[in-house]
Amino acid sequence: EDQVTQSPEALRLQEGESSSLNCSYTVSGLRGLFWYRQDPGKGPEFLFTLYSAGEEKEKERLKATLTKKESFLHITAPKPEDSATYLCAAGRSQGNLIFGKGTKLSVKP
Amino acid sequence: EAGVVQSPRYKIIEKKQPVAFWCNPISGHNTLYWYLQNLGQGPELLIRYENEEAVDDSQLPKDRFSAERLKGVDSTLKIQPAELGDSAVYLCASSAQPMDTQYFGPGTRLTVL
Repeated sequence: EDQVTQSPEALRLQEGESSSLNCSYTVSGLRGLFWYRQDPGKGPEFLFTLYSAGEEKEKERLKATLTKKESFLHITAPKPEDSATYLCAAGRSQGNLIFGKGTKLSVKP
Repeated sequence: EAGVVQSPRYKIIEKKQPVAFWCNPISGHNTLYWYLQNLGQGPELLIRYENEEAVDDSQLPKDRFSAERLKGVDSTLKIQPAELGDSAVYLCASSAQPMDTQYFGPGTRLTVL
């Protein structure tokens, strides 16, 4: 059964304290690994797509990496405005996404 | 460029009442998705359209849920009758093609009393 698991469920950091979020997946026929950011009361906002093991993408303080079994979202020197829920989703061959439950990140000043 | 538009943003209804949600995708996007998101969970696909054809509705509870996408642009998702367990956020997303990045609207928060 296709599955996406994110850890930790919640993460509290001090401003400037770097860390990583994990997304492990078991999906047959993976067609891309997607990261989204979701703020309270809003829809998910697209961040990155990774297609092959070893691929990396960066945007400001965020860097996403992909292996054959998991993806990491590295946050370097986070700021309070990085506080949000980060969702990982695996693209299936049918074109659908299967989402994890998300990691709720809180960054305190 | 305008993003995905959804309305209403919030809806409160009594159980057994009908409710409808509307979505306007990004211009030129052929693929449209409806997702359900419960509190503390990731979105779960309800139905996917390619143009006006529903190509995956396997997760849509067909006894009470229905959807349509007339002319392959706007879409409406309906629940009749609503149950307490239907309280959730209903998200619409669109992509240029089925395998492309999906862009989400702000969602409709439904509360069933």
